[in-house]
Amino acid sequence: EAGVAQSPRYKIIEKRQSVAFWCNPISGHATLYWYQQILGQGPKLLIQFQNNGVVDDSQLPKDRFSAERLKGVDSTLKIQPAKLEDSAVYLCASSPGERDRGLWWDTEAFFGQGTRLTVV
Amino acid sequence: ILNVEQSPQSLHVQEGDSTNFTCSFPSSNFYALHWYRWETAKSPEALFVMTLNGDEKKKGRISATLNTKEGYSYLYIKGSQPEDSATYLCAFAPNDYKLSFGAGTTVTVRA
Repeated sequence: EAGVAQSPRYKIIEKRQSVAFWCNPISGHATLYWYQQILGQGPKLLIQFQNNGVVDDSQLPKDRFSAERLKGVDSTLKIQPAKLEDSAVYLCASSPGERDRGLWWDTEAFFGQGTRLTVV
Repeated sequence: ILNVEQSPQSLHVQEGDSTNFTCSFPSSNFYALHWYRWETAKSPEALFVMTLNGDEKKKGRISATLNTKEGYSYLYIKGSQPEDSATYLCAFAPNDYKLSFGAGTTVTVRA
């Protein structure tokens, strides 16, 4: 099966500019995650979708970050305006887990290759 | 925010040697523990998903054990090879829907 696709792979922007990342999960996967990994730290969950609804966005800095999942498939993550501390790898992952069907964390997550963002 | 700790942060292993490292997590409300391998320029890839206390899983030369009562999991690499060089991430899932990652253990295998 095709994996999780992310684009772009790399992005360099100046602070206060805007940037958007795109993710296409594995077909049929109900759950999609966006993680932020800052160098030296573990991935931090920014937002989690189940189909086209938001399950958890408690760690998403909503003053500058936004995300949507179009028709329960593709997703975009936007940063506007970017700050220096947003420099990180942004990982998208999907899993077949669906909380409402009792399928959840006993299923693995499948990750994209990530987008490395550098804010200068 | 759950505290998932991995130690050591990094280690260097001679080719052919065996090694192991630890993931510590809260022992209450356990649901699952995941291990992922993240090689440079690639996607993180799942190694194991463990749900039962005392679980032991194996994939080739890599194995993992789980102790949910005391809140730790060990990952073992037997006879390390250069292709084992990667960052190994563990992720803990309590009885809700969040998956919290540790910072990872970066393994470098020297030929």
